[in-house]
Amino acid sequence: NAGVTQTPKFHILKIGQSMTLQCTQDMNHNYMYWYRQDPGMGLKLIYYSVGAGITDKGEVPNGYNVSRSTTEDFPLRLELAAPSQTSVYFCASSRMGGSSEQYFGPGTRLTVT
Amino acid sequence: GENVEQHPSTLSVQEGDSAVIKCTYSDSASNYFPWYKQELGKRPQLIIDIRSNVGEKKDQRIAVTLNKTAKHFSLHITETQPEDSAVYFCAATTSAGGTSYGKLTFGQGTILTVHP
Repeated sequence: NAGVTQTPKFHILKIGQSMTLQCTQDMNHNYMYWYRQDPGMGLKLIYYSVGAGITDKGEVPNGYNVSRSTTEDFPLRLELAAPSQTSVYFCASSRMGGSSEQYFGPGTRLTVT
Repeated sequence: GENVEQHPSTLSVQEGDSAVIKCTYSDSASNYFPWYKQELGKRPQLIIDIRSNVGEKKDQRIAVTLNKTAKHFSLHITETQPEDSAVYFCAATTSAGGTSYGKLTFGQGTILTVHP
């Protein structure tokens, strides 16, 4: 099993551009999450999904969108990128939500300049 | 929503000493409290977790204690080794209407340095 994979690893985006961060898991997990981690800080939840076709906002959803058309994939879309979106983005998945362990991807380091 | 406070922000110990990191949470409905270790440039990895029906859990050199009344939980590392050096995060679940979707709220992190 590859677990949770993310692409790209690094990216530099210009202000106002858009891009999609990819996340895929091969563990057949229903629950998937997107977090952002700013330097020296803990992770903050952006969006989450409890299954294909079902998504909901987390703590910091502004400026982002998600979709979940399959169990495996949970892409994160950035529209009109701003410098405040410079961060490391982690995707995670878990089998049952609640108190199930979350498995994290390797992260995408994004710089908006 | 849930708020998690973590202390200290940095912790420096000598190899072989113990290290303790403390977290408090605000939502009395929270019922799952994981601890993650994150090495520089790497993903967070779960090292231990505790559920609200348990007061203490131990795994070799690592233990976690939970005080639901006071709404705080702590990570204890004994016989520290240089490879324990990393950033440690506590987290707690938030729930909506009594249902928890695994929406974790993280503390700010503790940088642990173990000197040989």
